[in-house]
Amino acid sequence: GQNIDQPTEMTATEGAIVQINCTYQTSGFNGLFWYQQHAGEAPTFLSYNVLDGLEEKGRFSSFLSRSKGYSYLLLKELQMKDSASYLCVLGGGGNKLTFGTGTQLKVEL
Amino acid sequence: DGGITQSPKYLFRKEGQNVTLSCEQNLNHDAMYWYRQDPGQGLRLIYYSQIVNDFQKGDIAEGYSVSREKKESFPLTVTSAQKNPTAFYLCASSKPGQGGEKLFFGSGTQLSVL
Repeated sequence: GQNIDQPTEMTATEGAIVQINCTYQTSGFNGLFWYQQHAGEAPTFLSYNVLDGLEEKGRFSSFLSRSKGYSYLLLKELQMKDSASYLCVLGGGGNKLTFGTGTQLKVEL
Repeated sequence: DGGITQSPKYLFRKEGQNVTLSCEQNLNHDAMYWYRQDPGQGLRLIYYSQIVNDFQKGDIAEGYSVSREKKESFPLTVTSAQKNPTAFYLCASSKPGQGGEKLFFGSGTQLSVL
C-alpha cells in the first residue's frame, strides 16, 4: 500500500517563505504531484516531479527525493491568497492516485 | 473555454432517496473520475471511467452508481444504500497517455442529509 504524511496546519507571514513537507511510503510510483485547494473549491495542479531534484515554477518550487521518500513544496513571497490546503499526491498511473490529507496553510499579515 | 462543470453546488438528500450529481467536461478527455472528500481525510476514489461505456469501481464504490454513455458526461448517483453520504464530491478528468495523470477538477458538490 501507500502512505503519505504531511503536517495538518502551518502558519506563515505575508512576504515570507514557507516549506511544506511530505513524506511517503510506497512500493512504487510514477511521480509526485502537488495540488492547491481553497476551501469549498476544486483542487488545482501546481507541480509534478518525476525525477529527483527541484522544479521551479514562479513563486512555487517542488522537490523530490525518491531515495529518502520525501518531497517538499516551497512557496516564496507569500501572499494572502496563498492561504489554502496543499495536497501531496502520489501518482501510480491513471486511476492509481493516492492523496495525502493536505496541509492547511494560513498566511497572516 | 474548456473545463469541467459540476452541478448542483449544494444538494440535500432525504432518507431513502437517491440523488444524482452531474459532471460534464468539454476538454475532450477520455478518463473521468469521482472522488469523495471528508474533513481531515484525503480524497478517496469512488468510480472511474477510462472510456465511454466502461467504468470501474474505486476504493469506496458501495452505495454509489455511475454511467458513461457519452464522453463528456459522467453522472454519479448516491443511492439510499450509502448510509453516510454527507461529503464534498469532486469530479475530475484526465487524458491518459499525455502526462495524463494530471487531473482537472470540477468545483465540487456538497451533499448533505436532511
